[in-house]
Amino acid sequence: NAGVTQTPKFQVLKTGQSMTLQCAQDMNHEYMSWYRQDPGMGLRLIHYSVGAGITDQGEVPNGYNVSRSTTEDFPLRLLSAAPSQTSVYFCASSAQGSLHFGNGTRLTVT
Amino acid sequence: GQQVMQIPQYQHVQEGEDFTTYCNSSTTLSNIQWYKQRPGGHPVFLIQLVKSGEVKKQKRLTFQFGEAKKNSSLHITATQTTDVGTYFCAGTKGSSNTGKLIFGQGTTLQVKP
Repeated sequence: NAGVTQTPKFQVLKTGQSMTLQCAQDMNHEYMSWYRQDPGMGLRLIHYSVGAGITDQGEVPNGYNVSRSTTEDFPLRLLSAAPSQTSVYFCASSAQGSLHFGNGTRLTVT
Repeated sequence: GQQVMQIPQYQHVQEGEDFTTYCNSSTTLSNIQWYKQRPGGHPVFLIQLVKSGEVKKQKRLTFQFGEAKKNSSLHITATQTTDVGTYFCAGTKGSSNTGKLIFGQGTTLQVKP
């Protein structure tokens, strides 16, 4: 099993550009979530999903969209990138409460 | 909204010294989890505490959940260089299976050999 796979590992965007961060898991976990990690602020929840077709907002959802058309995939879309979205993004999945994280995507918005 | 505060933000210790990080919530938690993130890596699950007053041990690591289920601590006895990293607590008010964990800011541990 690959676990949770995130792509890309690194990305540089210009302000106003859009992009999608991919996340896939092969553990058949119902629950998936996206976090962003910034220095001194820990991990902040952006969006989460409790199953295919169901998504909800976390602490910092503005500027991001998600969808969950399948159990395996949970992409995160940045609609119009801003420098404040420069961060490390982690996708995670869970079945019994504990989170399994992907390796992260380091995003820089200039 | 629910907040989880963690202190200290940084801790530098000499190898062999003990280390403790504390986690406090503004609201009662249904459970608390602890994660470790090595430099450049991703968070890795360590343990989950569910019961009021619960204490769990993993080798040199001791985890406690407060009686009021609003605070928790992680204590490392006789630190080693392999303990270096950032330790996060994360709590949830509802079901533990939602993945909707709220994380503390983390405590970064440096260990001098």
